[in-house]
Amino acid sequence: GAVVSQHPSWVICKSGTSVKIECRSLDFQATTMFWYRQFPKQSLMLMATSNEGSKATYEQGVEKDKFLINHASLTLSTLTVTSAHPEDSSFYICSAGGRGPGVDTYEQYFGPGTRLTVT
Amino acid sequence: LAKTTQPISMDSYEGQEVNITCSHNNIATNDYITWYQQFPSQGPRFIIQGYKTKVTNEVASLFIPADRKSSTLSLPRVSLSDTAVYYCLLTGGGNKLTFGTGTQLKVEL
Repeated sequence: GAVVSQHPSWVICKSGTSVKIECRSLDFQATTMFWYRQFPKQSLMLMATSNEGSKATYEQGVEKDKFLINHASLTLSTLTVTSAHPEDSSFYICSAGGRGPGVDTYEQYFGPGTRLTVT
Repeated sequence: LAKTTQPISMDSYEGQEVNITCSHNNIATNDYITWYQQFPSQGPRFIIQGYKTKVTNEVASLFIPADRKSSTLSLPRVSLSDTAVYYCLLTGGGNKLTFGTGTQLKVEL
């Protein structure tokens, strides 16, 4: 149990376009979801925290108008990179915490990540 | 700032036991200590979690002293496939996680 999926696993887009990344909890209710960004050979950097039904909380330095996060249901959160530029190219990872059978409330369950390349 | 400190890298050989120590001097009462493993271009994978003393599962052991200001992840008999980055984090039940640098473990033949 406690599986988190992301879609797409990789995406290439042109500079100036927008890209949406989905994060789904497949077998549990994700009351909180987190979005991270990871550049090559660096650690994960938390971008924002989203709670179902409320606005996301962004970390300092993360542009909320550029990285739109929606957590409309207990199983789905989306990250939209608007007007993407080459410097937005990165590995985006989501994680979820929540409740359900086999879910540890002290554990974050990570998705497999999405590789975004902006040309 | 990261709440944890770990060595940047470690090297080992197949079949050896590897111990990675993490310092967390400001651990809170409700914090658990959780270790994740990450391979390139993949999301982190849960390894083990503990609150105090010793925890053991199929893949690792976690040793936590009484003051909980540090912890040691022990990987018995590592293999090449254990080459990865290992992160030590403090988790407090739904709170956001702060990743430190992690430890790049390289296992050679």
